[in-house]
Amino acid sequence: EVQLLESGGGLVQPGGSLRLSCAASGFTFSSSAMSWVRQAPGKGLEWVSAISASGGDTYYADSMKGRFTISRDNSKDTLYLQMNSLRADDTAVYYCAKDRIGDFDCWGQGTLVTVSS
Amino acid sequence: QSALTQPASVSGSPGQSITISCTGTSSDVGSYNLVSWYQQHPGKAPKLMIYEVNKRPSGVANRFSGSKSGNTASLTISGLRADDEADYYCCSYAGSTIHVVFGGGTKLTVL
Repeated sequence: EVQLLESGGGLVQPGGSLRLSCAASGFTFSSSAMSWVRQAPGKGLEWVSAISASGGDTYYADSMKGRFTISRDNSKDTLYLQMNSLRADDTAVYYCAKDRIGDFDCWGQGTLVTVSS
Repeated sequence: QSALTQPASVSGSPGQSITISCTGTSSDVGSYNLVSWYQQHPGKAPKLMIYEVNKRPSGVANRFSGSKSGNTASLTISGLRADDEADYYCCSYAGSTIHVVFGGGTKLTVL
């Protein structure tokens, strides 16, 4: 069974940093592109960042460029999102998703990030 | 990149059919046959219902179907059931730089 399990969310002050992790199982992680997608409270889905299967190519939504860094460790079947200079409008549930370039066929349960003083 | 445009809400009675539209531009929906649809129940993660415009993943009922014409994609749900009540999001590939863009979501109410 394909599973994605996010962790690392929590409460952080504006300007602070947080690193999210997503542990994958049930599929060949090293052969799959991955993405982070977020959802602010009561709002819709927003794509955040994507990374190729090898990790050699990364992509970011404009509002995250320069602040967020996506990475992966294929030896540990784990995806990461390093978030710096966090703002109140970054408050959201962050989902990791298996990315088939055009659709996301498997999603984690999400981890809540709250940016507040 | 602007979000794709979806109606905020639609409703239907059990057994009826409904259609949710998703309007993009010639840079996303109109350029790629890579439109997908997601169902999200409250407090749950999204679930892929349709991919590549009109393909259903294994396990998704054939009551769900997708189509596209020009810059507008559509999701049709036939034989509405109470458990179809959820939020639905469309998504389109938009090229390697932008990657994907989502619609704002449509709340489906089964009366």
